[in-house]
Amino acid sequence: KQEVTQIPAALSVPEGENLVLNCSFTDSAIYNLQWFRQDPGKGLTSLLLIQSSQREQTSGRLNASLDKSSGRSTLYIAASQPGDSATYLCAVKDSDNNNDMRFGAGTRLTVKP
Amino acid sequence: NAGVTQTPKFQVLKTGQSMTLQCAQDMNHEYMSWYRQDPGMGLRLIHYSVGAGITDQGEVPNGYNVSRSTTEDFPLRLLSAAPSQTSVYFCASSYGRGPSTDTQYFGPGTRLTVL
Repeated sequence: KQEVTQIPAALSVPEGENLVLNCSFTDSAIYNLQWFRQDPGKGLTSLLLIQSSQREQTSGRLNASLDKSSGRSTLYIAASQPGDSATYLCAVKDSDNNNDMRFGAGTRLTVKP
Repeated sequence: NAGVTQTPKFQVLKTGQSMTLQCAQDMNHEYMSWYRQDPGMGLRLIHYSVGAGITDQGEVPNGYNVSRSTTEDFPLRLLSAAPSQTSVYFCASSYGRGPSTDTQYFGPGTRLTVL
């Protein structure tokens, strides 16, 4: 059974700092991996989708990397802003069951002005 | 496009009551799913559907039923509510036609309390 872990559970940084959020998974045979953002009391918004065959994806100040062999993905946020404050979740679909997305518990990010 | 919509936003039930959580999408997505989110546990898949008339169980299906009579709608039914079903429920959808078209779109959620 795929297990997804995100460390740390919470992170506080000053505005302007570059930061990295971590996601690890136990089974390297994945279908894809997604990073989501969740604001308090809201639904999830997909930030980046990385297919199994890809090593990274970029969108604006966000860059997500994937290393299947080590079971890790990182989300890099450049020049952080207070508006980036949210919970970031990582989710993995396995290649042998691509209908079931397994989530990590998330990292709650606070960017202080 | 309205995207994925969910009703109601909030609901309080008594133990043993039944209810239906509504989910609709207007993006012509084949794949739809229901998740519950509990503190410290991330989201867990309840049921999913790969198209009209096709549904299957996820990780935590007990106590819930689903049906998919149209592409747009995917209601979740609680048969006999229990306090353990107190949670936030999210509906999601995607094209579901391959790993590159699998971006998941989530609804705003339904916050359910069972007394």
